[in-house]
Amino acid sequence: GAVVSQHPSWVICKSGTSVKIECRSLDFQATTMFWYRQFPKQSLMLMATSNEGSKATYEQGVEKDKFLINHASLTLSTLTVTSAHPEDSSFYICSARVGVQGLQSSPLHFGNGTRLTVT
Amino acid sequence: SQQGEEDPQALSIQEGENATMNCSYKTSINNLQWYRQNSGRGLVHLILIRSNEREKHSGRLRVTLDTSKKSSSLLITASRAADTASYFCAAGLIQGAQKLVFGQGTRLTINP
Repeated sequence: GAVVSQHPSWVICKSGTSVKIECRSLDFQATTMFWYRQFPKQSLMLMATSNEGSKATYEQGVEKDKFLINHASLTLSTLTVTSAHPEDSSFYICSARVGVQGLQSSPLHFGNGTRLTVT
Repeated sequence: SQQGEEDPQALSIQEGENATMNCSYKTSINNLQWYRQNSGRGLVHLILIRSNEREKHSGRLRVTLDTSKKSSSLLITASRAADTASYFCAAGLIQGAQKLVFGQGTRLTINP
């Protein structure tokens, strides 16, 4: 149980275009999902917390107009990288906790990530 | 800013040996978690230790937590080639809502 599906697993796009990444909780509901970015051989950097039915909470330094997050249902959050540039190339990973309340003490379940390459 | 610092950054050992990874953090936590990541994949939760716990076991994994030193360690006993991965600690901050802050990770290589 507790499967998080992320799609697509990889995408190549041209500079200036937008890319949408989907994160779905397949067998549980998640009022809160988290979006991370990871550079090669580095740690995960939290970009934003996605809240179902309300605005996402962005971490300091993350441009909310560039990284649009929509959490329209209890099982789906999307991250749209708008007007992508080569420096946006990275590995993006979403995660969620089981349970509507999403207690901090329960583990995160991660999607398999999306490798974005902007040419 | 990153709360977790891990060492070593990379560790290479022979199959069957034990692997120890250390993690330090900066502020007060509710819990500390360890995750594993295979190359190019998402993370898998391994074990969680609460701030009022000192040691926890799960199979071949042993985690310790020293809140006075703000540090934790992950021990993998009798390592196997399949244990090759990156391992991250993640701090559940007291003042952090539901966020986890990840350490830099340790790249573990088990040589057959």
